[in-house]
Amino acid sequence: QLHLQESGPALVKSSETLSLTCPVSGPSFISGTYYGAVIRRPPGKGLEWIGSVHQSGTTFYNPSLRSRVTMSVYTSKTNFSFTMTSVTATDTAIYYCVGHPLAVPIAVDLWGPGTLVTVSS
Amino acid sequence: QSALTQPPSASGSLGQSVTISCTGTSRDIGDYEYVSWYQQHPGKAPKLIIYEVTKRPSGVPNRFSGAKSGNTASLTVSGLQAEDEAEYHCSSHGGSNNVIFGGGTKLTVL
Repeated sequence: QLHLQESGPALVKSSETLSLTCPVSGPSFISGTYYGAVIRRPPGKGLEWIGSVHQSGTTFYNPSLRSRVTMSVYTSKTNFSFTMTSVTATDTAIYYCVGHPLAVPIAVDLWGPGTLVTVSS
Repeated sequence: QSALTQPPSASGSLGQSVTISCTGTSRDIGDYEYVSWYQQHPGKAPKLIIYEVTKRPSGVPNRFSGAKSGNTASLTVSGLQAEDEAEYHCSSHGGSNNVIFGGGTKLTVL
């Protein structure tokens, strides 16, 4: 089992960096069975995959966001983190920490509750 | 890569069936057997209900079924129930270690 809970600020200023921590409980991430990832949903829009990280440190990113995104695993492997630089109002969204069993998140079966992040000017 | 195209809304009466489409291109839906569907109720996180075009995770009722033809995938909900009223999202492998989503379809049960 894998449980996720997003942790981070609700408000970020434009041009600054957004950071989220995704604490993970359960053996699936530590064992390498699951990847951790972040998916977002801007208001009035569809879902968007941002990036994924494996406990080994391997990462995959959405090509359209790659230049601004970094994901990494904590040494304890009980958390993974996500940072996005130079945010703008278009980055306002609900951000979900998620888990998926394959390198590409073609089937995301584990979802955190989500956290709303608002980018203010 | 462009998002997949879904109708913004769909509706059906209790007990009836409704089908939601998800249109992509030959570079995503048309090239991979990796289409998923998610159900999202207001204020909740999405829930995986279909993966690999036709497969259902454990616990998902068999009223939900998926299909694909060419560049278009579809989700059919049979025997509509009140709790099926939700937003439905499709996704597909988009090539180059990428996954893309549709804009979501709000299903209303009449």
